[in-house]
Amino acid sequence: AQKITQTQPGMFVQEKEAVTLDCTYDTSDPSYGLFWYKQPSSGEMIFLIYQGSYDQQNATEGRYSLNFQKARKSANLVISASQLGDSAMYFCAMREGYRAGGTSYGKLTFGQGTILTVHP
Amino acid sequence: ETGVTQSPTHLIKTRGQQVTLRCSSQSGHNTVSWYQQALGQGPQFIFQYYREEENGRGNFPPRFSGLQFPNYSSELNVNALELDDSALYLCASSLSGASYNEQFFGPGTRLTVL
Repeated sequence: AQKITQTQPGMFVQEKEAVTLDCTYDTSDPSYGLFWYKQPSSGEMIFLIYQGSYDQQNATEGRYSLNFQKARKSANLVISASQLGDSAMYFCAMREGYRAGGTSYGKLTFGQGTILTVHP
Repeated sequence: ETGVTQSPTHLIKTRGQQVTLRCSSQSGHNTVSWYQQALGQGPQFIFQYYREEENGRGNFPPRFSGLQFPNYSSELNVNALELDDSALYLCASSLSGASYNEQFFGPGTRLTVL
């Protein structure tokens, strides 16, 4: 079974508008972390935002926010005020078995990605 | 503070050959993870090194091996290359024990096997 599912192969958005990229996950571990990365055509994975399973509030980082719905096992990324430079591949990823301050190894499981295109 | 670097940027090999990819971790990071990303796919975890020992491995055969050095830099070695090994290989460094072990990725090495 897929641990991370991104159902949108491609998304289009107008510049300055907001866009939501979907991500659902599957785990039985009560302790996990959810990440979003941006991958431009250059290939480098750029960290955007993180949500821990025990975090009470949704994470925000500038124009990025994570809509975390634990009961639904979803962790959607919201990008506000889209910019042309936001055009890239976006990956949702999960790390299971993390303990705050612990040393569990950091295997990330990635989804298939969503290609976002921002139109002027 | 220097970021994660990888070398070489691109590499072309033929089937059956061996390849070594290199990664220098971000300053202060003691853990290195390697990922394989086939075209159009998400990255797949190969293994992770912490304190010069492998401490986690994905579903990859033993011909994928690695090393971590005292300065925390790392190598990924792939023996008996197969056509399906053509991919972008990403290295990520992190600090074990940090608040959430965020991984910082390098630019990747694009390997083509002919």
